[in-house]
Amino acid sequence: GAGVSQTPSNKVTEKGKYVELRCDPISGHTALYWYRQSLGQGPEFLIYFQGTGAADDSGLPNDRFFAVRPEGSVSTLKIQRTERGDSAVYLCASSLNGPTDTQYFGPGTRLTVL
Amino acid sequence: RKEVEQDPGPFNVPEGATVAFNCTYSNSASQSFFWYRQDCRKEPKLLMSVYSSGNEDGRFTAQLNRASQYISLLIRDSKLSDSATYLCVVIGSSGTYKYIFGTGTRLKVLA
Repeated sequence: GAGVSQTPSNKVTEKGKYVELRCDPISGHTALYWYRQSLGQGPEFLIYFQGTGAADDSGLPNDRFFAVRPEGSVSTLKIQRTERGDSAVYLCASSLNGPTDTQYFGPGTRLTVL
Repeated sequence: RKEVEQDPGPFNVPEGATVAFNCTYSNSASQSFFWYRQDCRKEPKLLMSVYSSGNEDGRFTAQLNRASQYISLLIRDSKLSDSATYLCVVIGSSGTYKYIFGTGTRLKVLA
């Protein structure tokens, strides 16, 4: 079956601009996660959704970052006033029922802020 | 101190060699442990879960040492296709289910 998909695969933007990154989880998976991975580092947790609600957003670095999952399926990560330090690969993952289930990752969106 | 620490490597080994990686974690209440594999510019993929009694999947063996707070991954008879970054993942104590990743250990298997 289809895995986790993310769009766009690459995004180049200018400092100060607004970006939206989209994640389409595996069908039927109720839990969705966003991570950020910088070069040479492991993925860093940002936020976890159970259904439509954010169950844990403790990893969001500041209030420029926001994510939604209005219908409990597709999620959008929104970054306002982008900074060069936001450049990274943003990974989305989903799991069947919750965090104790295996997380399956999407291919990521490579964000470059110039 | 980082919550999860790994030697970044690279570990360069010849084909057929046995190689082992360790990963230490700081939270003694951590509940679950995994090894993920990540190929260059690709997403992480689950390699195996790590059980208290240790577990084996073909050429791969994972072990957990709670007393010393580390997990290990042993790869026997290394193949060229094993070249990748191996990420250690720890889930924290009850009440928090965040995946905490190590920085990864890079393995290169040489012909």
